[in-house]
Amino acid sequence: QTVVTQEPSLTVSPGGTVTLTCASSTGAVTHGFDLNWFQQKPGQAPRALIFNTSNKHSWTPARFSGSLLGGKAALTLSGVQPEDEAEYYCLLYDGGAWVFGGGTKLAVL
Amino acid sequence: EVQLVESGGGLVQPGGSLRLSCAASGFTFSTYWMHWVRQAPGKGLMWVSDINTDGGFTRYAYSVKGRFTISRDNAKNTLYLQMDSLRAEDTAVYYCARGLQVAPGIDDWGQGTLVTVSS
Repeated sequence: QTVVTQEPSLTVSPGGTVTLTCASSTGAVTHGFDLNWFQQKPGQAPRALIFNTSNKHSWTPARFSGSLLGGKAALTLSGVQPEDEAEYYCLLYDGGAWVFGGGTKLAVL
Repeated sequence: EVQLVESGGGLVQPGGSLRLSCAASGFTFSTYWMHWVRQAPGKGLMWVSDINTDGGFTRYAYSVKGRFTISRDNAKNTLYLQMDSLRAEDTAVYYCARGLQVAPGIDDWGQGTLVTVSS
């Protein structure tokens, strides 16, 4: 059973840049992986940000970008805003089922 | 506007059953894969199951396989999750979510319905 690992928590200053990563226990995440990113704020349903590793939805702010970094999927926030404080989850398809990462709690301080 | 409205949650005893529904509107339901995702109190997201457009293909997370059954009624624009042999660890908010059409994945989500398994 695939385990998907994310940083439990990260802190960034307003206006700064932060990169969240998503690793698979089965090996390197590469192009061709079905990889999505989501944002969830307290008391709200998740909101989709990125699909296909690096593609943005029409509503995704330009400051969010997805990529591959050292065998992991990465979500980079550039010019962080206070409203970006949230939990971020990656979702990966392992060939048999979808698996969420444990989530990264991003604090903007 | 895409709307996904879950219902059917509540309190159930261990070993019991519950059927969740998700009423979809604002899009052509029959052309989208659909998913169920759950979130235990204070915990992260867990993918539960998905179903293809005509209901002929389904997948499940290992922890619910054999106990949960996903289905859909395209004439009623409704997604279902039949949950049997419920355990305390199934306690969670259950979200209905729409699959992407342009690539594998999920885009829109409902607001969720709470299932509590307790005696």
